[in-house]
Amino acid sequence: EDQVTQSPEALRLQEGESSSLNCSYTVSGLRGLFWYRQDPGKGPEFLFTLYSAGEEKEKERLKATLTKKESFLHITAPKPEDSATYLCALTTDSWGKLQFGAGTQVVVTP
Amino acid sequence: NAGVTQTPKFRVLKTGQSMTLLCAQDMNHEYMYWYRQDPGMGLRLIHYSVGEGTTAKGEVPDGYNVSRLKKQNFLLGLESAAPSQTSVYFCASSPTGWTGELFFGEGSRLTVL
Repeated sequence: EDQVTQSPEALRLQEGESSSLNCSYTVSGLRGLFWYRQDPGKGPEFLFTLYSAGEEKEKERLKATLTKKESFLHITAPKPEDSATYLCALTTDSWGKLQFGAGTQVVVTP
Repeated sequence: NAGVTQTPKFRVLKTGQSMTLLCAQDMNHEYMYWYRQDPGMGLRLIHYSVGEGTTAKGEVPDGYNVSRLKKQNFLLGLESAAPSQTSVYFCASSPTGWTGELFFGEGSRLTVL
């Protein structure tokens, strides 16, 4: 059975303290792995798509990487505005049917 | 530019009542989706549509029905609400099915008593 597992469940960081979030998966025929950000009371917001092992994507203080078994979201020198829940998702088809992990809640304190 | 709009934002139902959630998108997207989000479980796909007039089942379709009569609208219906359907419902749309870039609405919080 396909599974997407995110760790840790919650992460508390000091401003400027870099860290990484993990998304491990067991799936046959990965077509794409995606990262989303979700603020409280809002819908998820797309961040990155990764298609193959070794691929990396960057956006401001965020960098996503992909291996054959897991993906990492690295947050470099975070700021309080990076506080959010980060969701990992994957798909095995071309219909956009995403399977989501439960998310990592990140809190960045000044 | 409104993007994806969901109505209503909040609703309280009694067990056995019916209701419809409306999703409207103004981006001319072909693909639309309904997800539910429960604490600790992540988003789960209920139904989806790959174009006007089409619908298909997702991971957790039981107890729900959908319709896509117009390209810009995707309706989610609950015929006989149950407490297990208490959740936050998110609609999303996408121009294609393979980039994984979904545009989400702000959610509809449904409580079934």
